[in-house]
Amino acid sequence: EAQVTQNPRYLITVTGKKLTVTCSQNMNHEYMSWYRQDPGLGLRQIYYSMNVEVTDKGDVPEGYKVSRKEKRNFPLILESPSPNQTSLYFCASSLWGSNTEAFFGQGTRLTVV
Amino acid sequence: RKEVEQDPGPFNVPEGATVAFNCTYSNSASQSFFWYRQDCRKEPKLLMSVYSSGNEDGRFTAQLNRASQYISLLIRDSKLSDSATYLCVVSGNSGGYQKVTFGTGTKLQVIP
Repeated sequence: EAQVTQNPRYLITVTGKKLTVTCSQNMNHEYMSWYRQDPGLGLRQIYYSMNVEVTDKGDVPEGYKVSRKEKRNFPLILESPSPNQTSLYFCASSLWGSNTEAFFGQGTRLTVV
Repeated sequence: RKEVEQDPGPFNVPEGATVAFNCTYSNSASQSFFWYRQDCRKEPKLLMSVYSSGNEDGRFTAQLNRASQYISLLIRDSKLSDSATYLCVVSGNSGGYQKVTFGTGTKLQVIP
């Protein structure tokens, strides 16, 4: 089944404790991206990747890192999480570029206390 | 001005009604336009792409007006299962990078 898989689905952590949210897709898509969704603000793009080893900042990259060592994986790293990073996070992949349909993972609800 | 603006609603409509949503965007260089549907606490899923010539998929019709920079979604014969939040999405090159901007969504509640 074609899908985007994120893990974990739920995470509660403490300020400053490094964490990684994994994202994997099995559709051989070139383009992958991370979003956060907050009430009243909608989905905002954090980082995106056009292909392996090619990443770029989105609208809200501060406090996040990503890597794209393999085509299928695009982990999101929070080196030192803070409470303002409490949010619902979605990973998405597209066949090529942002102009094609995005397939989303099920989301990761992160709480930083 | 927000890059992509939508009326947040909620739109409460009876079953069988026709409802229309509009979305305006500020970047005239935008290239691609979509409507996504998001159910409560779930991931967004593509409802339909929006083309300059307009497109229709069953009860759903999407239109793009580049001159006025807005897109619309029309839902005919509303079903209870149409209750969801509808997200307007605009993408294209901006400042040298690929930019995807989501509207904050319009909530639709179809009432029996």
